[in-house]
Amino acid sequence: GNSVTQMEGPVTLSEEAFLTINCTYTATGYPSLFWYVQYPGEGLQLLLKATKADDKGSNKGFEATYRKETTSFHLEKGSVQVSDSAVYFCARSYNTDKLIFGTGTRLQVFP
Amino acid sequence: DAGITQSPRYKITETGRQVTLMCHQTWSHSYMFWYRQDLGHGLRLIYYSAAADITDKGEVPDGYVVSRSKTENFPLTLESATRSQTSVYFCATTKVDRADGYTFGSGTRLTVV
Repeated sequence: GNSVTQMEGPVTLSEEAFLTINCTYTATGYPSLFWYVQYPGEGLQLLLKATKADDKGSNKGFEATYRKETTSFHLEKGSVQVSDSAVYFCARSYNTDKLIFGTGTRLQVFP
Repeated sequence: DAGITQSPRYKITETGRQVTLMCHQTWSHSYMFWYRQDLGHGLRLIYYSAAADITDKGEVPDGYVVSRSKTENFPLTLESATRSQTSVYFCATTKVDRADGYTFGSGTRLTVV
């Protein structure tokens, strides 16, 4: 079936640490892949996306590369800030018009 | 202002009551979606609509009803609320090209007592 699997959180880091949040997806079809971020009390915001294999999405210092061979789309940032504290959702498209989301990973960054 | 708005922001209702959550978008995007967000489940699709008067079930449609008489509105109705429907509900919209990603509303926190 169609699914997205994320690492469980919370992920707790000190400011300026390196971040990786793992995401893998089922390989049905040729999905587009997304990372969304949800700040406390808000809705989800698109962080970055990749629409085909080997594409790299990037935004606000975050990056993720569409790896077809490992069916992965891991989120990385070289130096996190306290303001990056949020819940991060990986998602894939399916049936051309819908998204399916992972369960979310909470990131907590401490000064 | 252009965007997607949900109302109410917070709602408390009693078991068995009917309650309607509103969603309005100003872009005239074709697609609209309703998700619920629960701890441990992430976001699950309830219903979606590809255009006015076209709706379809998502992953967890039971107990919910939707309509789309106008492109800009996509209300979600709980016909007889149950405690298991306590959740945060998000509306989203996207253009035909879903590769652009979705735009989400700010959510409605619904508590059924």
